[in-house]
Amino acid sequence: DAKTTQPNSMESNEEEPVHLPCNHSTISGTDYIHWYRQLPSQGPEYVIHGLTSNVNNRMASLAIAEDRKSSTLILHRATLRDAAVYYCILTSNTGNQFYFGTGTSLTVIP
Amino acid sequence: DAGITQSPRHKVTETGTPVTLRCHQTENHRYMYWYRQDPGHGLRLIHYSYGVKDTDKGEVSDGYSVSRSKTEDFLLTLESATSSQTSVYFCAISEPGRRQISFGPGTRLTVT
Repeated sequence: DAKTTQPNSMESNEEEPVHLPCNHSTISGTDYIHWYRQLPSQGPEYVIHGLTSNVNNRMASLAIAEDRKSSTLILHRATLRDAAVYYCILTSNTGNQFYFGTGTSLTVIP
Repeated sequence: DAGITQSPRHKVTETGTPVTLRCHQTENHRYMYWYRQDPGHGLRLIHYSYGVKDTDKGEVSDGYSVSRSKTEDFLLTLESATSSQTSVYFCAISEPGRRQISFGPGTRLTVT
């Protein structure tokens, strides 16, 4: 399975936008890019996913580079509740194996 | 938590004893997974199941076995628990084509 690389940690001020980067240089043409987040003492929860085009939902936006070798999760206005570990993962076309890694720990500063 | 329960939620056991963790889902999803989470290692896939009686190994399967006799239940067994298996264990489910995985609340296992 293709691997992803994320910074171990990031900080953001409350009410400012946050851009969480992910590198996936070995991504294949049919791999989907997923983002999940894990709040303290909970299991991970789905945030967003995409294939080639940028995606928006109520939680966040996903910007995918034209060559698909990197992507960025954008939280438009960070709140204290967004403090979590964010995982960028790739899934194959069959989409049923999910390998998470260590993710990025986001701290939101009041 | 998407109709997923795990039992027990907390367990303390001694080295060398067998331990079975249970995951139960009410979503009728085909795929079920067991992960462990440890500081510095993130979430690692132990085993997964793609149907009743169909299972396969993940990244860190040594020392663990699984069974799935019904769609709704996925059991993780530590035949002889070791201190290195102290961890938080998460069960998860997914359905083909949905491209999302949903997690249970987790089980904190301590092996002394």
